[in-house]
Amino acid sequence: AQSVTQLGSHVSVSEGALVLLRCNYSSSVPPYLFWYVQYPNQGLQLLLKYTSAATLVKGINGFEAEFKKSETSFHLTKPSAHMSDAAEYFCAVSGAGANSKLTFGKGITLSVRP
Amino acid sequence: GAGVSQSPRYKVTKRGQDVTLRCDPISSHATLYWYQQALGQGPEFLTYFNYEAQPDKSGLPSDRFSAERPEGSISTLTIQRTEQRDSAMYRCASSSLGGSYNEQFFGPGTRLTVL
Repeated sequence: AQSVTQLGSHVSVSEGALVLLRCNYSSSVPPYLFWYVQYPNQGLQLLLKYTSAATLVKGINGFEAEFKKSETSFHLTKPSAHMSDAAEYFCAVSGAGANSKLTFGKGITLSVRP
Repeated sequence: GAGVSQSPRYKVTKRGQDVTLRCDPISSHATLYWYQQALGQGPEFLTYFNYEAQPDKSGLPSDRFSAERPEGSISTLTIQRTEQRDSAMYRCASSSLGGSYNEQFFGPGTRLTVL
């Protein structure tokens, strides 16, 4: 069984500030981990993924995440927030394998203040 | 097609009616997934297809829910005798088959409201 915990439902940061969105997972098998972003009226878009290669993963739009097995965490960070980063972010886990279903967290809405 | 498309984008129906949602995956993708996302929650797995085969439908919440992909391309999700608790965003995703990992590409979703 797999699960994802994203604490809190909303994060607000100032433009230019650090973005930190937390994700903890539970998995009975070595996990694959993902961050998806959803902009209004659009589908989910893959931001980055961890599939058992490098533990520090870089994604699109300057985001990165670090897989920490000891902490069962996969937190998403960006050094400097931009107004265009305002969106809903979902962390997800799957088992290894080509066609494993995704188990998502509840999501976090990121707001960016000017 | 260029991306995953879903129709309709919005559906409002009355309790007790049947609804059918459609997903058109990326044309080269063999695998297709359906997810249900309630308000304030993350997407939850319903079922998936490899071509026309349906290896896993463990996430379908009741026998009122069914999905088909008869020719291995377009898929439909049908909800019979809809209930208010069925109100949600229904998301479709597709991916290629084989290899160690295949990214799932999501469509824009269908927002279902049951009155």
